Amino acid sequence: DAGVIQSPRHEVTEMGQEVTLRCKPISGHDYLFWYRQTMMRGLELLIYFNNNVPIDDSGMPEDRFSAKMPNASFSTLKIQPSEPRDSAVYFCASRENSSGTYTGELFFGEGSRLTVL
Amino acid sequence: GQNIDQPTEMTATEGAIVQINCTYQTSGFNGLFWYQQHAGEAPTFLSYNVLDGLEEKGRFSSFLSRSKGYSYLLLKELQMKDSASYLCAVRPYTGRRALTFGSGTRLQVQP
Repeated sequence: DAGVIQSPRHEVTEMGQEVTLRCKPISGHDYLFWYRQTMMRGLELLIYFNNNVPIDDSGMPEDRFSAKMPNASFSTLKIQPSEPRDSAVYFCASRENSSGTYTGELFFGEGSRLTVL
Repeated sequence: GQNIDQPTEMTATEGAIVQINCTYQTSGFNGLFWYQQHAGEAPTFLSYNVLDGLEEKGRFSSFLSRSKGYSYLLLKELQMKDSASYLCAVRPYTGRRALTFGSGTRLQVQP
């Protein structure tokens, strides 16, 4: 299995520009999560989906952030307009639905490192 | 709300044993996870506890006390490659699939 795939791995942009981050979850996983990691705040949940439906977006910082999951194999996180404080590593993760003794661990992609100048 | 506390940094010697503590206060509890994250890489799953007690997996063990809101990760026979951040994460309640992460403990293994 290829694992969770994210793109781009690195993005440098200027304040005010639109940024789109992409994620392909592991095939067969029903849940997809977007996390943001910074030195100051650690790993924070932004939003998660179940079967392509957003379940909890309470972590999305403000209206500048939006996320979509048009199908089971693709999700995007968009920031418009971007600001320097959005600089962080954005991780996508996926997991299977729980059953039996399954732990429900998250599988993370390699992350997208965003720098907003 | 949720609050998860871990030490920020720890240093240990190759071949030794180190214990990384995690305390949590959450609205409900449905499992505690430990993840390892090397610099510049993604977090990877290490262990899971949902009942009190010790779970052993090779050189790594994880302990949970639900009544105390406390867990620790024990790393034995430390190797240089164990230098990484160790993240404690809690799944707050049944039905919520997302994990809440602590800020992580950066472990430096010295020769």
